[in-house]
Amino acid sequence: GAVVSQHPSRVICKSGTSVKIECRSLDFQATTMFWYRQFPKQSLMLMATSNEGSKATYEQGVEKDKFLINHASLTLSTLTVTSAHPEDSSFYICSARGTSGARNEQFFGPGTRLTVL
Amino acid sequence: AQKITQTQPGMFVQEKEAVTLDCTYDTSDPSYGLFWYKQPSSGEMIFLIYQGSYDQQNATEGRYSLNFQKARKSANLVISASQLGDSAMYFCAMREGPNNFNKFYFGSGTKLNVKP
Repeated sequence: GAVVSQHPSRVICKSGTSVKIECRSLDFQATTMFWYRQFPKQSLMLMATSNEGSKATYEQGVEKDKFLINHASLTLSTLTVTSAHPEDSSFYICSARGTSGARNEQFFGPGTRLTVL
Repeated sequence: AQKITQTQPGMFVQEKEAVTLDCTYDTSDPSYGLFWYKQPSSGEMIFLIYQGSYDQQNATEGRYSLNFQKARKSANLVISASQLGDSAMYFCAMREGPNNFNKFYFGSGTKLNVKP
């Protein structure tokens, strides 16, 4: 299957700082990428959908000014958590949808565990 | 209404036995896809199996099979010959519509524990 990477895999930061998480499709071009947040023992909650070259579409209740998404190329999307606070601590997972395939499946990255002190 | 419902928060199964994880879905779109993912403690989401709404036969992938009952809107995952490595969270997901941009809806997950 297709490979999606995320960097960093784990980050610890102080409250008030900004953190950037990268999501890359390594062996295919991703027209669409998705960002999810997962709290412990809960399901994945979609935060936003990003399409290459256009603005991201945010889900209801997600602050677009706090979670900045940039999908500048067909292989890279970034999520920046601005002015992070302890309540932003979570597991962030990206996924990418390729440009072909009948299943229209999403390929998931390994996730980034963010801890805000 | 919930798009995807998984009613079993936790399940136990004896090693080498089969187990069924339940999933029901809600959609009025005639074109949709159903997916099952496995999430071990490491956090990665591992794709297991896919069923398209127009597929006539139930999907199978090795030890995984999907019991697709369209009229009942259920898509249960059957794992045969359970192994210790199958212990993980399992998520059912649905994509509505055929479009590339259509988002996924995830269920709340089922934690499977395989006992030796």
